[in-house]
Order: sequence, then C-alpha cells, then structure tokens
Amino acid sequence: AQSVTQPDIHITVSEGASLELRCNYSYGATPYLFWYVQSPGQGLQLLLKYFSGDTLVQGIKGFEAEFKRSQSSFNLRKPSVHWSDAAEYFCAVVGGGADGLTFGKGTHLIIQP
Amino acid sequence: DGGITQSPKYLFRKEGQNVTLSCEQNLNHDAMYWYRQDPGQGLRLIYYSQIVNDFQKGDIAEGYSVSREKKESFPLTVTSAQKNPTAFYLCASSISGGSDTQYFGPGTRLTVL
Repeated sequence: AQSVTQPDIHITVSEGASLELRCNYSYGATPYLFWYVQSPGQGLQLLLKYFSGDTLVQGIKGFEAEFKRSQSSFNLRKPSVHWSDAAEYFCAVVGGGADGLTFGKGTHLIIQP
Repeated sequence: DGGITQSPKYLFRKEGQNVTLSCEQNLNHDAMYWYRQDPGQGLRLIYYSQIVNDFQKGDIAEGYSVSREKKESFPLTVTSAQKNPTAFYLCASSISGGSDTQYFGPGTRLTVL
C-alpha cells in the first residue's frame, strides 16, 4: 500500500527567508505526486504535481518541487516566503488505479515577521 | 463559474441522528470523492465514485453511505453507526479518476453534540 510521510508537523520561517517542506513517499511503481495548500477552514488548492518527465516542477505562487526517485522524496521549496504563505501544506500520492489520494499528515507553516 | 460546492459550511446534529452532506460539481467530471479531515491526521478517503450509479469504499467507509444518481452530485450520509462523526468533510472531483488531478470543494464542518 502507498503511504506519505511529512516529517515536520510545524515549521516556522521568517518572512523573506527560503522554505523547504519535506515529503517522503512509499509506492511500488512510478508515483503521481501532488502538493496542496489549505488555509484555515478552507478546501485544498493544488500547488503543483509531478507525473513524469522533468523532475523539477514549477507550481503556482512561486513554489517548486523536486522529485528524487533514489530518495523517494518530493520536497516543496520556495526561495522567499510571504506572510500570506502561512497555511497547512499536504503532500499526496496516487497510483494508477482509482483509489483516491493518499495524504501525508500535513505541515503547518508559520511565518514570522 | 465552474467549481465544486458543498453545503452547508457548518452543520450541527445531535448524537444518533443521520445527516447528509451535499456535494455538487459543474466541471463535468466523472469521478468524485469524499475525504474526512481530523486535526493532525491529514485527509482520509471515505468513498469514491468513477461513474454514475457506481461507487467504492475507501479506507474509512464504516458508518457512512453515499449515492451517485447524477453526474453532478455525490451526497454523503453520516449515519448513527459512525462512532466519531465530528470532523471536517471535503468533497473532490476529477475528470475520470485514477491519476487525474483532484479539485476540492470548500468543505463542511460537522459537529455532533
């Protein structure tokens, strides 16, 4: 069965600093990987996704993620965070079937002024 | 305006009552999903449907039921058999399931008193 681990429950970053959120997955075949963001009490918004091809993918709001098969990782990065980036971030994986997404438990991002 | 709507945003019920959460989409998507979110737990799949009149159990289907009589609609009933129903419920849809990107509604927060 597939699984996703987000090792950091909370991360605090100063505004303007760089950001990296970690995601490790477990899946037997080529995974389809996603990063979503959730503001308090809201639904999830897709930031970016990886299906195949270039291992560095660009998303919305200046985010990017790099797929590293050897490390089973799909870490999310942003060079300079803004206060509006404070939110909950979820990494997710899906296989080729129709079983729905498997999510990590999320990382809560706090931005310090 | 295309999207997914969930109503109501907040729902309160007494213990022992069944309650139905609404999910409607006008994206012409074939696949629809229900997830449950608890603090610090990420999202877990309850039910999914790839086509009208067909649906499958997800990881935590016990105590829930669904129907898919129309392509646009996928209501979720939380029955009195669900032991701990208080949670945030999110509906999603995708073009045809599998690895297709899932788009999420704004969610319904259910509180059972």
